[in-house]
Amino acid sequence: QKEVEQDPGPLSVPEGAIVSLNCTYSNSAFQYFMWYRQYSRKGPELLMYTYSSGNKEDGRFTAQVDKSSKYISLFIRDSQPSDSATYLCATSRMNYGGSQGNLIFGKGTKLSVKP
Amino acid sequence: DAGITQSPRHKVTETGTPVTLRCHQTENHRYMYWYRQDPGHGLRLIHYSYGVKDTDKGEVSDGYSVSRSKTEDFLLTLESATSSQTSVYFCAISPGGDNSPLHFGNGTRLTVT
Repeated sequence: QKEVEQDPGPLSVPEGAIVSLNCTYSNSAFQYFMWYRQYSRKGPELLMYTYSSGNKEDGRFTAQVDKSSKYISLFIRDSQPSDSATYLCATSRMNYGGSQGNLIFGKGTKLSVKP
Repeated sequence: DAGITQSPRHKVTETGTPVTLRCHQTENHRYMYWYRQDPGHGLRLIHYSYGVKDTDKGEVSDGYSVSRSKTEDFLLTLESATSSQTSVYFCAISPGGDNSPLHFGNGTRLTVT
């Protein structure tokens, strides 16, 4: 089993739709969770960063972590064509001495928002 | 781009040749990282550095070496490039120090023919 699983999509939605992106992870020791957005031919850009279970909201974006089910979600409200990108979930590999740099990434979900 | 410059942005090289990729940061962050990104595999850690001359291996370090002689520069070397090393290489930093999220550069697209 991969440590972080993410449906690669592609996912296509109409403008204005609510988008739900999801990942599952296998190691219950993971405590830090991140979502990155990556436009074509660009580096990943940090969108959301959460610690442990619960919700975190930032504008149209909400990150949700459910540690009991090892499930990570990103919700995008009122989706825009500019949200079209690949979204990567990531979590920390705490057994590497706690360094956040040792992140484990999902393979990414490609999202397309149609006008 | 979080103050990260990667060079070159694109490179085509032949099998067996040495290749060095450079990552330069402007903000003197302690931690720097090299990742590769491939279809079907996502981002994988190659090597990382936690200070000048302090480096360690990541998940996919075979065939790669790194050096960090100055805080601002982290070099990734492919001693003898192979076709399996065709990839997009990303450098990253931790602006908040340990236990803070990573910020990435815009990558180097390397093709080994």
